[in-house]
Amino acid sequence: DVKVTQSSRYLVKRTGEKVFLECVQDMDHENMFWYRQDPGLGLRLIYFSYDVKMKEKGDIPEGYSVSREKKERFSLILESASTNQTSMYLCASSFFSGTNSYEQYFGPGTRLTVT
Amino acid sequence: TQLLEQSPQFLSIQEGENLTVYCNSSSVFSSLQWYRQEPGEGPVLLVTVVTGGEVKKLKRLTFQFGDARKDSSLHITAAQTGDTGLYLCAGASGTYKYIFGTGTRLKVLA
Repeated sequence: DVKVTQSSRYLVKRTGEKVFLECVQDMDHENMFWYRQDPGLGLRLIYFSYDVKMKEKGDIPEGYSVSREKKERFSLILESASTNQTSMYLCASSFFSGTNSYEQYFGPGTRLTVT
Repeated sequence: TQLLEQSPQFLSIQEGENLTVYCNSSSVFSSLQWYRQEPGEGPVLLVTVVTGGEVKKLKRLTFQFGDARKDSSLHITAAQTGDTGLYLCAGASGTYKYIFGTGTRLKVLA
């Protein structure tokens, strides 16, 4: 079974703190993603990576950065946490499953609260 | 900007009833996926449809991709309490990325 793990299920941080969210996948997938999920807004892509050390901005990259030093690990960094970054953060990895599609596998999520 | 709109947003039904959830866009997608997410967990992929007009069945769930590849539907026959969850559609956007819909929250009552 594909497994995507995230370092924390729940996290509480203070405004201005630097926050690291870690994600590890064990299936040798090329692509990894960070999303945030907010009620009524669905999943929004923050950043993704299609190879080690490669990254691309998603739809809402402001206030975030990422790091992918190893294929299996993709980190999301909040440089200076703000209350509007309180959200559920979901990591995913994907592989090409044929015929124009990629299968995504998600981690369980990290619920981050910034106070 | 590609957008995927899902309807209804919320649905509460009795066990045994049938239901349909819709996913609509003005954009064409090369493929479309449906996910189910349970509380406290990440979304789990149910199906991928890639051909206009394609119909796929997964036990009591029937997925259809519109002929023009701009919309999709999910039909559940004889819903069970285990079908409760958030249903998300996602359309392929670019090479690796998917755009997600806002979701339909389904509650099936015993």
